[in-house]
Amino acid sequence: NAGVTQTPKFQVLKTGQSMTLQCAQDMNHEYMSWYRQDPGMGLRLIHYSVGAGITDQGEVPNGYNVSRSTTEDFPLRLLSAAPSQTSVYFCASSNSAVSANYGYTFGSGTRLTVV
Amino acid sequence: QKEVEQDPGPLSVPEGAIVSLNCTYSNSAFQYFMWYRQYSRKGPELLMYTYSSGNKEDGRFTAQVDKSSKYISLFIRDSQPSDSATYLCAMITSSGSARQLTFGSGTQLTVLP
Repeated sequence: NAGVTQTPKFQVLKTGQSMTLQCAQDMNHEYMSWYRQDPGMGLRLIHYSVGAGITDQGEVPNGYNVSRSTTEDFPLRLLSAAPSQTSVYFCASSNSAVSANYGYTFGSGTRLTVV
Repeated sequence: QKEVEQDPGPLSVPEGAIVSLNCTYSNSAFQYFMWYRQYSRKGPELLMYTYSSGNKEDGRFTAQVDKSSKYISLFIRDSQPSDSATYLCAMITSSGSARQLTFGSGTQLTVLP
């Protein structure tokens, strides 16, 4: 089925470890983004991309890196995991950054625990 | 103060009830307003979007925007147990970049059979 695929679904990391959360979409969407969701905080934007080769920071970018070498893939890298990065991470894509007419398609999330 | 405020609930109603979910916002530049539904352990999915003030209806769902009061609502008629989910409001300016898409924290709804 078409959509946004995130892997892994669950991950436990030790403090200081690094890892990459994968995100792929097959809808030829130009716009992709990463959010984290924490209780009582809603969805907060980490990084986003408006097309291959173009990325920018969101509201909470510290401790995370992204790259966009293809239209389909938008991986999120945790450089040195910290307990404060324990969260549920969602990747989303859209035809437009201003998503009102198209909406964002979200992946099913990656639940990350840093111990 | 957050730009978008949403009562987290939880909200519990009997099947068939009319549900009212609300968000208030402080940024008068917001022009597009959306409601997302998020089932447990799933990603949010777009339910409805509206532009400018007024009502928009889609089946059992009605989205309402009152820009003068900076207040948006989602009404669910004849609520069903399958409507049990967290509902997130979201809004963005007309020329906004992704940074300006702002989500509420979500209201958890349970519809009891």
